[in-house]
Amino acid sequence: QQQVKQSPQSLIVQKGGISIINCAYENTAFDYFPWYQQFPGKGPALLIAIRPDVSEKKEGRFTISFNKSAKQFSLHIMDSQPGDSATYFCAARSMVGAGAGSYQLTFGKGTKLSVIP
Amino acid sequence: DGGITQSPKYLFRKEGQNVTLSCEQNLNHDAMYWYRQDPGQGLRLIYYSQIVNDFQKGDIAEGYSVSREKKESFPLTVTSAQKNPTAFYLCASRDYSGANVLTFGAGSRLTVL
Repeated sequence: QQQVKQSPQSLIVQKGGISIINCAYENTAFDYFPWYQQFPGKGPALLIAIRPDVSEKKEGRFTISFNKSAKQFSLHIMDSQPGDSATYFCAARSMVGAGAGSYQLTFGKGTKLSVIP
Repeated sequence: DGGITQSPKYLFRKEGQNVTLSCEQNLNHDAMYWYRQDPGQGLRLIYYSQIVNDFQKGDIAEGYSVSREKKESFPLTVTSAQKNPTAFYLCASRDYSGANVLTFGAGSRLTVL
């Protein structure tokens, strides 16, 4: 129930195309859904995040779509560029105890995106 | 610049040796985390600490140990009991305000020969 299932495992998109990565979860206690971007040999960095009371959030070329009833959320990268080539992780936050320090992130297994010129 | 420093970036060790990975943060974050990353496996939580002198096991704590003697530091020891230690190790921290999200270090790649 703590899992976050991410697909596809890898994705190849032409420059200028739309990249779409999907995630699904079961635990209705998840209350925050961030996406992280990781370049080779680096640590992941927060890209964009959404709360479950919002159906869509857009930041530049990156958009999260959230479907609470289906327990699914997705990342869309518009006008994909070679510089977007990276591994993307979806995540979901839940409380594991009392207090502000008790949040824990559960990560999907990642999607390796390659944008070809 | 505030951030998380992990060292060393690359580490080679023989089987049966313990090795300690360093993680230091100057973000004044309260919570710190260690994740292990393997190809196709995503990020798996090893240990986390919400406050100095306290830490909890994550999903894959066996064969690892940690300490949290200072707020800024959360070293991870990979012991000889860890059956498959070759991996990319990521340290992260989080404050308790704002968006409450994780900030990651650049990682340490451990290879056991």
